[in-house]
Amino acid sequence: GAVVSQHPSWVICKSGTSVKIECRSLDFQATTMFWYRQFPKQSLMLMATSNEGSKATYEQGVEKDKFLINHASLTLSTLTVTSAHPEDSSFYICSARDPGRGYTFGSGTRLTVV
Amino acid sequence: AQSVTQPDIHITVSEGASLELRCNYSYGATPYLFWYVQSPGQGLQLLLKYFSGDTLVQGIKGFEAEFKRSQSSFNLRKPSVHWSDAAEYFCAVGMYNNNDMRFGAGTRLTVKP
Repeated sequence: GAVVSQHPSWVICKSGTSVKIECRSLDFQATTMFWYRQFPKQSLMLMATSNEGSKATYEQGVEKDKFLINHASLTLSTLTVTSAHPEDSSFYICSARDPGRGYTFGSGTRLTVV
Repeated sequence: AQSVTQPDIHITVSEGASLELRCNYSYGATPYLFWYVQSPGQGLQLLLKYFSGDTLVQGIKGFEAEFKRSQSSFNLRKPSVHWSDAAEYFCAVGMYNNNDMRFGAGTRLTVKP
């Protein structure tokens, strides 16, 4: 089935640094990918919709300058958490939709900012 | 390898009819199990989760799910579907800290008047 690869699976970074998370569709082309953030014991919150070749669409309340999204090709979207702070520590997950097979989610990235 | 299977990509039911969405998983140990719903343009909302204990789990919006270890299944049910239930439903399995959460491909529910 459709596969989405997300890396890294976990990362620890110092406060003030930036972290990049990659989301790749391995066997299909994804013109649209989605980035979610999950807080402990809560639902996944949609952060933004990543559109290949154009600007991402951010959900209300999501800081565009802090969470930079780039979707430069049909198989790769990246989320960069800039100037990370401890409150950015969370679980981030991407997904992509293959029209013939439904949504596929990455395995997620656990970000810890110390 | 861990995997989650939702066999039905699309289901259509009449309003007022009962609903069952299937979910099967393959996991090394007994995982934590989740059902999420995503309405158009919105993020994923947690309907219910199973960690341990009673295998019949009650969730929000009148949904319930039953964990059957022997069948490696966690099917979602609702006795009477409302038009507002039309959405995409995702089954997920993982560990409590979500370091390795896997999602099914989703089942799109259409509700006929």
